[in-house]
Amino acid sequence: EVQLVQSGAEVKKPGESLKISCKGSGYSFTSYWIGWVRQMPGKGLEWMGIIYPGDSDTRYSPSFQGQVTISADKSISTAYLQWSSLKASDTAMYYCARQWYGHNAFDIWGQGTMVTVSS
Amino acid sequence: DIVMTQTPLSSPVTLGQPASISCRSSQSLVHSDGNTYLSWLQQRPGQPPRLLIYKISNRFSGVPDRFSGSGAGTDFTLKISRVEAEDVGVYYCTQATQFPLTFGGGTKVEIK
Repeated sequence: EVQLVQSGAEVKKPGESLKISCKGSGYSFTSYWIGWVRQMPGKGLEWMGIIYPGDSDTRYSPSFQGQVTISADKSISTAYLQWSSLKASDTAMYYCARQWYGHNAFDIWGQGTMVTVSS
Repeated sequence: DIVMTQTPLSSPVTLGQPASISCRSSQSLVHSDGNTYLSWLQQRPGQPPRLLIYKISNRFSGVPDRFSGSGAGTDFTLKISRVEAEDVGVYYCTQATQFPLTFGGGTKVEIK
């Protein structure tokens, strides 16, 4: 079964760092782009960026460039999203999703990781 | 950035009746390779999004045939021929023709 499994919910304080993960299985992890999507409480979807684990080519939305870092470790089929200094406004659900080659649609989604930043 | 505008924001529908959602992009979604990378997602309450339609009108695996997509260029439509209770949720259009990828604001489908 093709799936993306994300790391569990996090509760952090402002200023702390965080790295969440997204592990792919059931397919060739290095052959598909993996994107990250933010959903703030009660709001819509926002595309943050995307990485190609095969060569770590990464693209960011201008809205998130410099605010987060996307990376991948192809040896363990895992993509990451990290923050160096969290803010309360980073409180959101974060989804990873696989981009279907040739169709450019997000066909497989992780279950989501809820990040809560509060003092 | 390409702006995706969905209407309506909310669509109360009677069970068994049709529903239609419109999505308009601020510029053409036709890619230089000739494809139009417009897809539709469904997000049921408390669930991650799920792919329904890709490249305007292609139903993803396992998606019921009551869902259909149409359109071209900058104007696109998702139709549900007969709404069922399990269709309640928020629907998003999204474009992957140009970076950054962008989503519409979402349309909430609810039962009257």
